[in-house]
Amino acid sequence: GAVVSQHPSRVICKSGTSVKIECRSLDFQATTMFWYRQFPKQSLMLMATSNEGSKATYEQGVEKDKFLINHASLTLSTLTVTSAHPEDSSFYICSAPSSGGAGEQFFGPGTRLTVL
Amino acid sequence: QKEVEQNSGPLSVPEGAIASLNCTYSDRGSQSFFWYRQYSGKSPELIMSIYSNGDKEDGRFTAQLNKASQYVSLLIRDSQPSDSATYLCAVEGSGNTGKLIFGQGTTLQVKP
Repeated sequence: GAVVSQHPSRVICKSGTSVKIECRSLDFQATTMFWYRQFPKQSLMLMATSNEGSKATYEQGVEKDKFLINHASLTLSTLTVTSAHPEDSSFYICSAPSSGGAGEQFFGPGTRLTVL
Repeated sequence: QKEVEQNSGPLSVPEGAIASLNCTYSDRGSQSFFWYRQYSGKSPELIMSIYSNGDKEDGRFTAQLNKASQYVSLLIRDSQPSDSATYLCAVEGSGNTGKLIFGQGTTLQVKP
């Protein structure tokens, strides 16, 4: 099946710093990618839809100036958490739609962010 | 508010038994439904997709969809300890946006 990678898999940073997370589709092109956040023992919450060549669309309640998304190419989307604070500590997961079944998404392995 | 609801569990079944996981959704316009499995600390893995009313079988897994009742379920036959995980029900929102709405997940424990 299709492969989506994320880097880094784990990051620890100090409060106030910015962290960039990369999401790559390895063997297919993705004009759209999705970014999710998952807090412990909670479900995945969609943060934003990343669109190649245009601005990302953010879900209600997600600060676009804090979570910067750039879809630089058909295989790469990045999420930058700016001025990170401890409450931003979470599991961030990206996904890309399958070209096959309607609505199917392939998920990256996730990035565990810990803000001290 | 468009929602997907699951019983968080844990659901505990003995090895070899059938595990039944249930999910209800509120958006009548939804057309695509998915079951994902998530092991602790890992990202979700697609198990089943279902788009039409009725049953869909894939190996030990059977997904069932009833759009009139806004209900989707997953049966796991011959449950194995390796099936122990959190199972997430996901529904694509109406309007063909590609966005998935996830339930909170049901934790399944299969005891040897």
